[in-house]
Amino acid sequence: GQQVMQIPQYQHVQEGEDFTTYCNSSTTLSNIQWYKQRPGGHPVFLIQLVKSGEVKKQKRLTFQFGEAKKNSSLHITATQTTDVGTYFCAGGGGSNYKLTFGKGTLLTVNP
Amino acid sequence: DAGVIQSPRHEVTEMGQEVTLRCKLISGHNSLFWYRQTMMRGLELLIYFNNNVPIDDSGMPEDRFSAKMPNASFSTLKIQPSEPRDSAVYFCASYPPIRELFFGEGSRLTVL
Repeated sequence: GQQVMQIPQYQHVQEGEDFTTYCNSSTTLSNIQWYKQRPGGHPVFLIQLVKSGEVKKQKRLTFQFGEAKKNSSLHITATQTTDVGTYFCAGGGGSNYKLTFGKGTLLTVNP
Repeated sequence: DAGVIQSPRHEVTEMGQEVTLRCKLISGHNSLFWYRQTMMRGLELLIYFNNNVPIDDSGMPEDRFSAKMPNASFSTLKIQPSEPRDSAVYFCASYPPIRELFFGEGSRLTVL
């Protein structure tokens, strides 16, 4: 079945440093979604990418979808303590409902 | 609109007891997912309902787990009998098709 690998598993940065997490799928995806989960909280939707090579920005966050629609990345510029949490990618493929989640990247930020 | 509402938020029980987790969907959404989250396995899809009908239950671990959706806005996930390895956070999420998942705040289950 479809697998989505996400790296790194953990990332600790100093406030102001950049951060990137990467997702790779074993199969071509129809779309990819990104979620953020604060410690003790629940996953909250950030964005969806659908088109090959798509790039979207939300303030300091930049999301990319690979040309082959098998990989994606989330880049945060100049991290802040409010960015702390686990970032998950979730790949859609095959059926129109099934999302396969990566294991997530836990970001901690040292003030 | 209220978000997805789950209850209980926390449950501590002893091995062998029955556990029932509840979920109320966002009005107008017609699909529901139950996920289980652990450190080791991450977010695992347990079951997916569309228009009250179970479409995919391939993620349900075993016969001890059952899920129902008696109407368009409510679902239950039951574990009977519970085991320590069932300890996890259980999320339900509602889903307007081809859009994002709206997660509830989760039910943290501890089985002693």
